[in-house]
This record gives sequence, C-alpha cells and structure tokens, in this order.
Amino acid sequence: GAVVSQHPSWVICKSGTSVKIECRSLDFQATTMFWYRQFPKQSLMLMATSNEGSKATYEQGVEKDKFLINHASLTLSTLTVTSAHPEDSSFYICSAPPSGRAQSSYNEQFFGPGTRLTVL
Amino acid sequence: RKEVEQDPGPFNVPEGATVAFNCTYSNSASQSFFWYRQDCRKEPKLLMSVYSSGNEDGRFTAQLNRASQYISLLIRDSKLSDSATYLCVVNPGYQKVTFGIGTKLQVIP
Repeated sequence: GAVVSQHPSWVICKSGTSVKIECRSLDFQATTMFWYRQFPKQSLMLMATSNEGSKATYEQGVEKDKFLINHASLTLSTLTVTSAHPEDSSFYICSAPPSGRAQSSYNEQFFGPGTRLTVL
Repeated sequence: RKEVEQDPGPFNVPEGATVAFNCTYSNSASQSFFWYRQDCRKEPKLLMSVYSSGNEDGRFTAQLNRASQYISLLIRDSKLSDSATYLCVVNPGYQKVTFGIGTKLQVIP
C-alpha cells in the first residue's frame, strides 16, 4: 500500500513554544491530506483537511490560528501547533488518500505513524 | 447520539475463542464502512472493508446491517496477536470519515 511518513515521531516541549509536524506521502502525490488528533482512550478526531494550493479546512472547534496547516507541495503537509500548552498534548496523525484522490466513499486511508506531542 | 458508537471494552477472551464486536452509526446515508486495527501508540491500519453482502478474510468476518444501522466484526480462533483496539470507521460520503472510540480486545493465553 501507499506509504505516509511523519516527523518527528515524538516531541517534548515547554509550554508556549511552537511545534511543527511534517506529513509526507513517499510514493504518491496527495492533493489532500487529513490531520487527526487522538487523546488517550478517545476516538481519532479529524482536525482539518489540508489542501495543496489552497487554505486548509478546519473542523468545528479547531482554532485555525493555533493549528497552522501548510500544504507546501503535492507530497508534504505541515501542522504547526503554535504556543503549545499542556492540553495540546496528544497523538497527532496524518493520513492521505492514495493516488492523490480526495476521501471518497470507497477508498481506505493511509496513515502516517503519528507524532506524540507532550507539552510540559 | 454519537455518530459512531462502540463498546470500548476491554473484551478479555482466551486463545481460540470467538469474539464479536458491534458498532452502530447514526447517519443512515453513510456509504462505506471499515474496520481498522490500532495497536498501542501506533497508527490505525485497515483490517477490512465492510460490504452489504458481508465479507470474510480468514478468521475475520464483517457484516453490515443497514436497516438497523450497525456493522459487526467476528474474530474466530483468537490469537494472542489479535490483541489490539478495533476501530469502526464510517464514511458518510462527503469527504469526512468518522471513527468510533474503538473496542479493546485482549486475548489471554
């Protein structure tokens, strides 16, 4: 299947700092990527849809000024958590549909390995 | 009501047992359904898609009941390696999938 990588795999930072997470599609182009967040014992929650060449689409309740998304190329999307606080500590996962297609009814999603963020 | 509901478990079963999980969804217009497996601190991986006619892959059988709006996953002859969290995923068809909270399975020797 398609390969999606994320970097870093884990990060520990002080409160108030900004953290950038990269999501790359290694063997295919992705005009759309999705960013999820998973708190312990909770569901994966879609935060935003990253669109190459246009602004990201954020889900209700997700602050776009706090979670900056940049889809710099057809293989790279970045999520920057600005002024991170302890409540932002979570497991952040990106995914991309194969062959650059947007989420459709019948496509599975390919997930990156995730980034565990701990804010002290 | 949540869009996708699952019993979080944990389900503790002995090796060799048969175990079944259900998942209910609220959007009757949902178009596609999946079961994903997630190991601790790892990303979800697709286990199988769920079709109206039901589908089987080795020891795993998935079924869809549109009338009652639920999907199920049956695991036969459980192995220790089946221990994981099983996520129910529903695609309502408008570029957004919804994950259930996941059902934790622990297979005991």
